[in-house]
Amino acid sequence: NAGVTQTPKFRILKIGQSMTLQCTQDMNHNYMYWYRQDPGMGLKLIYYSVGAGITDKGEVPNGYNVSRSTTEDFPLRLELAAPSQTSVYFCASSYSRGPLTSGELFFGEGSRLTVL
Amino acid sequence: QQQVKQSPQSLIVQKGGISIINCAYENTAFDYFPWYQQFPGKGPALLIAIRPDVSEKKEGRFTISFNKSAKQFSLHIMDSQPGDSATYFCAAGGGSSRLTFGEGTQLTVNP
Repeated sequence: NAGVTQTPKFRILKIGQSMTLQCTQDMNHNYMYWYRQDPGMGLKLIYYSVGAGITDKGEVPNGYNVSRSTTEDFPLRLELAAPSQTSVYFCASSYSRGPLTSGELFFGEGSRLTVL
Repeated sequence: QQQVKQSPQSLIVQKGGISIINCAYENTAFDYFPWYQQFPGKGPALLIAIRPDVSEKKEGRFTISFNKSAKQFSLHIMDSQPGDSATYFCAAGGGSSRLTFGEGTQLTVNP
């Protein structure tokens, strides 16, 4: 099983460039998430989606955009890249969220982005 | 408040020792407390989780202790092994609240 697949694994951008981080999952999960991980800061939620066509902001959405046209795919777009967006980005999915289920998140292996 | 505070930031333990990582939360509506384990170059993966109706949950060498009145929970790794060396994240969430992660603890188990 592939699980959650992210591409690319590494990318270097120049300030002001744009790019899209791709994420796809094959577990038929309704919920998908984008996190960024910075040293000593834990995982911060950027955007999430509860199903195709529905997205919402997380804790740190500024400078990012997402779309969810299918259940499987949840791309994250960086517009006008800035050095503050240098980070490791993780996509995750879950079957559901709420007190009646485990809410387990399944993470991809991450995309390391450097903005110079 | 949605914060989850985790300590220590890093921890070095000898093989066979006990590793203890602590977390504190503020939102009394949280009712789901998982721990995630992350190896270098990989994404986090669920290790163990607890709900507030029990004070302790054990899975093999890993135990979560939960203190609802103090709004604290901790991860204990018994007989720590070099293969346990990883970054550990606590998290809290549930109900209408999204999962909030702690800052992470980098555990090193020396052989």
